Amino acid sequence: EIVLTQSPAILSVSPGERVTLSCRATQSISSNLVWYQQKPGQPPRLLIYAASSRATGVSARFSGSGFGTDFTLTISSLQPEDVAVYYCHHYHNWPSLTFGGGTKVEIK
Amino acid sequence: QVQLEQSGAEVKKPGASVRVSCKASGYSFSSYYMHWVRQAPGQGLEWMGVSNPTGGGATYAQKFQGRVSVTRDTSTRTVYLEVRGLTSDDTAIYYCASICGADCPFDHWGQGTLVTVSS
Repeated sequence: EIVLTQSPAILSVSPGERVTLSCRATQSISSNLVWYQQKPGQPPRLLIYAASSRATGVSARFSGSGFGTDFTLTISSLQPEDVAVYYCHHYHNWPSLTFGGGTKVEIK
Repeated sequence: QVQLEQSGAEVKKPGASVRVSCKASGYSFSSYYMHWVRQAPGQGLEWMGVSNPTGGGATYAQKFQGRVSVTRDTSTRTVYLEVRGLTSDDTAIYYCASICGADCPFDHWGQGTLVTVSS
């Protein structure tokens, strides 16, 4: 089983700062990685798919990168509405899925 | 537009079973997998299993093998999740979702169903 480890678990950032979230796989998953944003009381929202493709309607502040085992979600300038928990998942063994543990982004 | 409408909240006693439904509309139901993901209070997302769009079969996370069943009724465009032998650890929000994977960027989630297991 390919495990995804997200770090850090919690990130406290000032508005306008750049945010970098990490998702690391225990073995290569090519570019088969998705990033979600989840706000309290809501289901997850798709941000990035295929590691670096931005979903429709997602702000250009969000970008994804990486290949193989190391992936990054970057928020170029944190806005108050970006406070949320961010999850990665891989679909390398589709249709089975594995989620990372999540990173909570807070405003400092 | 795509909609996934889930059944309402449930309260169950330990040892009981629960069945949650997910009715799909607004897209080609037979073309997409339907996943079940749960989220315990204050915890992360946990993938449980998936209904295959053809053949009526399902694939499960190893953790849930033998205790969970996912079925699909194409005539009513509904997918069902049954969880047996409930414990307090099964208290969670259960989501159905057509999740981005082989079919990206197609990605749609139900509103979630809260299942509470309490004596």
